[in-house]
Amino acid sequence: EVQLVESGGGLVQPGGSLRLSCAASGFTFSSYWMHWVRQAPGKGLVWVSRLNSDGSGTNYADSVKGRFTISRDNAQNTLFLQMNSLRAEDTAVYYCVRADAAAGRALDYWGQGTLVTVSS
Amino acid sequence: DIQMTQSPSSLSASVGDRVTITCRASQSISSYLNWYQQKPGKAPKLLIYAASSLQSGVPSRFSGSGSGTDFTLTISSLQPEDFATYYCQQSYSSPRTFGQGTKLEIK
Repeated sequence: EVQLVESGGGLVQPGGSLRLSCAASGFTFSSYWMHWVRQAPGKGLVWVSRLNSDGSGTNYADSVKGRFTISRDNAQNTLFLQMNSLRAEDTAVYYCVRADAAAGRALDYWGQGTLVTVSS
Repeated sequence: DIQMTQSPSSLSASVGDRVTITCRASQSISSYLNWYQQKPGKAPKLLIYAASSLQSGVPSRFSGSGSGTDFTLTISSLQPEDFATYYCQQSYSSPRTFGQGTKLEIK
C-alpha cells in the first residue's frame, strides 16, 4: 500500500524557517517524481514545487522561488521541503504528492498533509 | 504560466442528476489534464487522468473528455458521496496549475 506521511509542520514566526519531511513507503520511491502542493485555510489547491526522481531537476512556483528548496533522500525514501523567510501568506496545509508518469504525470497519491502556520 | 479556469465555481444539484464541470486552459495542454475530488478535511483524490482515463477504483459514473484547451468532467448520476469540491489540474508544464475549484452542493 502506498503511503505518504508528512511531518514538520507547526507554528513559526514571520521570517522564520521550517523543514517539512515526507516519509514514503509501499512503492519504489526513487522511480517517481514528487511534488508539494499547499492549501490555505478555506482556499483552493496551489502547486508549490516538484523534484524529479534522482533529485537533479526542480521547479518552483513563483511565490516560493528563492525561499523554498525541495530535496529528497532516495536511500531513506524521504522528501523534504526547506522553507525559509516564511510569510503569513505561506500559512497552509502542505501535501506531499506522488506523480505517475504512466498516468499523464497526474498526482496519484497524496499524504494527509501537515499544517504550517506563520504568525507572530 | 498556464492558467486553468473552471466553471461554475459552485453548483447545486440533486441525487441522481447528471452534472458537468468545465475546465479551460489558457493554452493547449494536449491531454495533460487531471481531475481531483476533495472532501472537507481530507486530501484530494485523483479521479481522472490524461483527460479521459478513469483512475483505478473510481466509479464509472465519473467520466472526462476534451483535449487542447477545453475539458469536461461529467458525473452521470450523482450519489450522496459525490458532494465535494472538484479541481482540474494541468500536468503539461511547470508550474502545474490547478483550477480554482467547483464546489458541488446538495440542492
